[in-house]
Amino acid sequence: KAGVTQTPRYLIKTRGQQVTLSCSPISGHRSVSWYQQTPGQGLQFLFEYFSETQRNKGNFPGRFSGRQFSNSRSEMNVSTLELGDSALYLCASSLTARAYNEQFFGPGTRLTVL
Amino acid sequence: KNEVEQSPQNLTAQEGEFITINCSYSVGISALHWLQQHPGGGIVSLFMLSSGKKKHGRLIATINIQEKHSSLHITASHPRDSAVYICAVRSDNTDKLIFGTGTRLQVFP
Repeated sequence: KAGVTQTPRYLIKTRGQQVTLSCSPISGHRSVSWYQQTPGQGLQFLFEYFSETQRNKGNFPGRFSGRQFSNSRSEMNVSTLELGDSALYLCASSLTARAYNEQFFGPGTRLTVL
Repeated sequence: KNEVEQSPQNLTAQEGEFITINCSYSVGISALHWLQQHPGGGIVSLFMLSSGKKKHGRLIATINIQEKHSSLHITASHPRDSAVYICAVRSDNTDKLIFGTGTRLQVFP
């Protein structure tokens, strides 16, 4: 079974631009979560989607948004990029949104904002 | 104070040593995860616990719900165990994952 895939793997943008990152979960998984990892803040939860509905959201500004499609693939969008948005963005999929389901992580997208 | 604290922050060991990494949390939880992150960023889920103890190969994870504490043990450590180990808890109030800052482990031959 193929693992979680994320595209693109690396991205360089300039301040003020917007970016869209994509995540394809493991086949059959219906829950996708997104995380941001920075050297200063570590790993932080962004949002979680299940069956095309956002069921949870972290403490990030409205510039960060996401969505999930009927095939469970998910995208996240960051508008008006700031230097501080430079980070590794990870997505993880699980079978359902239940707390006891194991999460499987993708390789991440490394975003650099210049 | 962070809701999830890990110790130590950095750990150096000789191959073959027994290693313990600790995680304490201050919130009510429905599950606790131990994750491994190698250089390059990829994260692998090692364990998910809600009670007791789990073992997988040379890795053992325990959790004490009353004391709000978990430990990850590595027996007979090997250089390939060198990685960052991250503890994460799922809050039973917000249902969000809260991460510790990680423990950087280096095992030398």
